[in-house]
Amino acid sequence: GQSLEQPSEVTAVEGAIVQINCTYQTSGFYGLSWYQQHDGGAPTFLSYNGLDGLEETGRFSSFLSRSDSYGYLLLQELQMKDSASYFCAAPSVGKFQFGAGTQVVVTP
Amino acid sequence: NAGVTQTPKFRILKIGQSMTLQCTQDMNHNYMYWYRQDPGMGLKLIYYSVGAGITDKGEVPNGYNVSRSTTEDFPLRLELAAPSQTSVYFCASSGRGQGGEKLFFGSGTQLSVL
Repeated sequence: GQSLEQPSEVTAVEGAIVQINCTYQTSGFYGLSWYQQHDGGAPTFLSYNGLDGLEETGRFSSFLSRSDSYGYLLLQELQMKDSASYFCAAPSVGKFQFGAGTQVVVTP
Repeated sequence: NAGVTQTPKFRILKIGQSMTLQCTQDMNHNYMYWYRQDPGMGLKLIYYSVGAGITDKGEVPNGYNVSRSTTEDFPLRLELAAPSQTSVYFCASSGRGQGGEKLFFGSGTQLSVL
């Protein structure tokens, strides 16, 4: 089985930087994915780390350290539209399992 | 492309009723999934399929059934609905299921069992 742990909520002001950590315990680990979900919407894919290191996609970056069973999502230059829930997810033999999600609240 | 299409978007059931949530994808993906999401919570895997004719249980399969007769369709059946099944249901698909391929989600079905 797998478990993925992430903080429940993070609050920051517009323009700030937020880091959402995800620690995992899993067998058959392939990599770590991140998804964004706005209220009332469906999750959408943000990034994937199959190897250790940093992946950058615009204002968002994701990092993975397999030796530490740890990853994070970095949101830079926060905008109001970034207020959403963010989930880490790990695939295992065809299945994807998700963390409980981190609610990011961006204030003016 | 339509992507992943779920119907209906909303449904209210009485306790003990049955229904089928429809899911179809037009991306020729082998892997399909059903998740449920309770308010303020993450996504729990109900069932998944790695190809036509092959299905397997996820974390929370009790009270549900699935079938996968074609690559495109992956319906979820609720038998004898219970209040505990009140949730938002998401269908998703992916090309390889190994993490390198991203999950594509349908828009969700909000189900209330009263």
